[in-house]
Amino acid sequence: GAGVSQTPSNKVTEKGKYVELRCDPISGHTALYWYRQSLGQGPEFLIYFQGTGAADDSGLPNDRFFAVRPEGSVSTLKIQRTERGDSAVYLCASSVGTSGTGTQYFGPGTRLLVL
Amino acid sequence: GENVEQHPSTLSVQEGDSAVIKCTYSDSASNYFPWYKQELGKRPQLIIDIRSNVGEKKDQRIAVTLNKTAKHFSLHITETQPEDSAVYFCAAKGGTYKYIFGTGTRLKVLA
Repeated sequence: GAGVSQTPSNKVTEKGKYVELRCDPISGHTALYWYRQSLGQGPEFLIYFQGTGAADDSGLPNDRFFAVRPEGSVSTLKIQRTERGDSAVYLCASSVGTSGTGTQYFGPGTRLLVL
Repeated sequence: GENVEQHPSTLSVQEGDSAVIKCTYSDSASNYFPWYKQELGKRPQLIIDIRSNVGEKKDQRIAVTLNKTAKHFSLHITETQPEDSAVYFCAAKGGTYKYIFGTGTRLKVLA
């Protein structure tokens, strides 16, 4: 079946603008993660959803970042008042199960560039 | 806070030789340790994982070892091939749902 997909693949925006990044997980996967990956670094945890609820949002850097998953499938990461330091690849991953130790399948990422 | 250190940052080996990448974690509650391979411009892909109740796991040319007392875990690749060239990330999952990733090891297998 189809893997995790993310749109857009690339996003260029200006400082101060609002952006939305979308993640379509594998069908039936209840667990969904958002990560941020800067050049030369490992993925940095942002938020974890189990179903519709955010079970752990401790990785969100500040209140400019927000994520939703209203129907327990597609998720949107929202960044307000973007800053140049937000530039990175934003990765989404999904997995089955509720323990958080199921295999995570990553999407291709959205490369965000804030000018 | 929680931290995962990964060494070395770069590793070059001759084709056919073995490669070892080491990680150290800080959260004693960590109970799951996956390893990911990421090729340039591609998404991370799980290659092997180990849980805290196991000391070693092997899958063909790849093995992972875990020393809970020392909070160390390592990836071993034997008989390396050029297609093994990539960036490898270790990760540790603690008592919460959060995964902490290492900073990555760029492996180059020289033909």
